Amino acid sequence: GQNIDQPTEMTATEGAIVQINCTYQTSGFNGLFWYQQHAGEAPTFLSYNVLDGLEEKGRFSSFLSRSKGYSYLLLKELQMKDSASYLCARPGDYGQNFVFGPGTRLSVLP
Amino acid sequence: DADVTQTPRNRITKTGKRIMLECSQTKGHDRMYWYRQDPGLGLRLIYYSFDVKDINKGEISDGYSVSRQAQAKFSLSLESAIPNQTALYFCATSDLDRDYGYTFGSGTRLTVV
Repeated sequence: GQNIDQPTEMTATEGAIVQINCTYQTSGFNGLFWYQQHAGEAPTFLSYNVLDGLEEKGRFSSFLSRSKGYSYLLLKELQMKDSASYLCARPGDYGQNFVFGPGTRLSVLP
Repeated sequence: DADVTQTPRNRITKTGKRIMLECSQTKGHDRMYWYRQDPGLGLRLIYYSFDVKDINKGEISDGYSVSRQAQAKFSLSLESAIPNQTALYFCATSDLDRDYGYTFGSGTRLTVV
């Protein structure tokens, strides 16, 4: 997905913590989004980092380093319902659109 | 009712047939998009529209056309469907304030045989 890289799959245990990384080529744009997508469903918005640092939202946190082209999504106290694909997305080249990474499929095991 | 509604949810069509996918929204957003999703490739932009008189090609527009019939309606057409257009198609809308990202429709699973 246009020079955005994510691990393809990850597995973790219920109650654990998992970190999903996203790297991208920096090109002057600001900000990075994270979406959650359950199988066969639409992506839903999770977070948006416009500045460097950590944004915490309940069990989910997202981190951004614009100079390094690096972001991660941290999921704590994993639940079975967190099994889904997680997509990172950066602002695109056409204005107001987004370019998506290939997604990371997370499986949460009991 | 869903904010962004896509019809049909699933469709199987034959090679060479014309097919239209429809999207309507109640968000009041001006900006609408069509994406396709393929395993391992993520979501790729087909067309986008910033208002009724504005239509723009995205990354992979060949073989597709769109029509923005009203602020709330944005349809995608495959003039002559081919098997490699088999994919999951999503319509999305966004507000001027990009901080809130997209609102996606539920998707249309299209199979071309």
